[in-house]
Amino acid sequence: DTAVSQTPKYLVTQMGNDKSIKCEQNLGHDTMYWYKQDSKKFLKIMFSYNNKELIINETVPNRFSPKSPDKAHLNLHINSLELGDSAVYFCASSLGTANQPQHFGDGTRLSIL
Amino acid sequence: KNEVEQSPQNLTAQEGEFITINCSYSVGISALHWLQQHPGGGIVSLFMLSSGKKKHGRLIATINIQEKHSSLHITASHPRDSAVYICAVRGGATNKLIFGTGTLLAVQP
Repeated sequence: DTAVSQTPKYLVTQMGNDKSIKCEQNLGHDTMYWYKQDSKKFLKIMFSYNNKELIINETVPNRFSPKSPDKAHLNLHINSLELGDSAVYFCASSLGTANQPQHFGDGTRLSIL
Repeated sequence: KNEVEQSPQNLTAQEGEFITINCSYSVGISALHWLQQHPGGGIVSLFMLSSGKKKHGRLIATINIQEKHSSLHITASHPRDSAVYICAVRGGATNKLIFGTGTLLAVQP
């Protein structure tokens, strides 16, 4: 009964390909997030959705497109993958947009060859 | 300079020692989070606080809003406490989570 689950856990692909990472939460939370953790372990927010609506969109290339079909899912699609996209991507959720603890998925390690 | 700074960056302790990790921030915040990331990679939320002090088991988190500083203390440290501890604040113009660079803690038996 994993609370926030991401798939796949590992993703190895060639430069230029398009790939998706899926995230689902079964906590009944309204808000979901995507974070990127670089090689120096530094975490940075990419996107945040509240009830399927985009509320935070950081300076992220247009090649990254989040999609939220319902409030329990927030998927991340990446077009034309580049070497610099190699990182660990974490999905998280929280009850709302106010100050609430965030629950994180286990991360997806993306490696671009 | 990061808006959230942690010290030390690396910390090695002997089992049983009292450990303190510090976090300073430069923006106005509505809350501060302490997170733990184990070697396997998963991230767990330890505390969220906006004032005073919280305690959970052997972990204690304090925050001083006036000084823009928070500390995470671990009493009677154990090798299983070995992890990266990350401070994050909710604040700034967009009220998003802004992360520190983390403190890598190794507790030796």
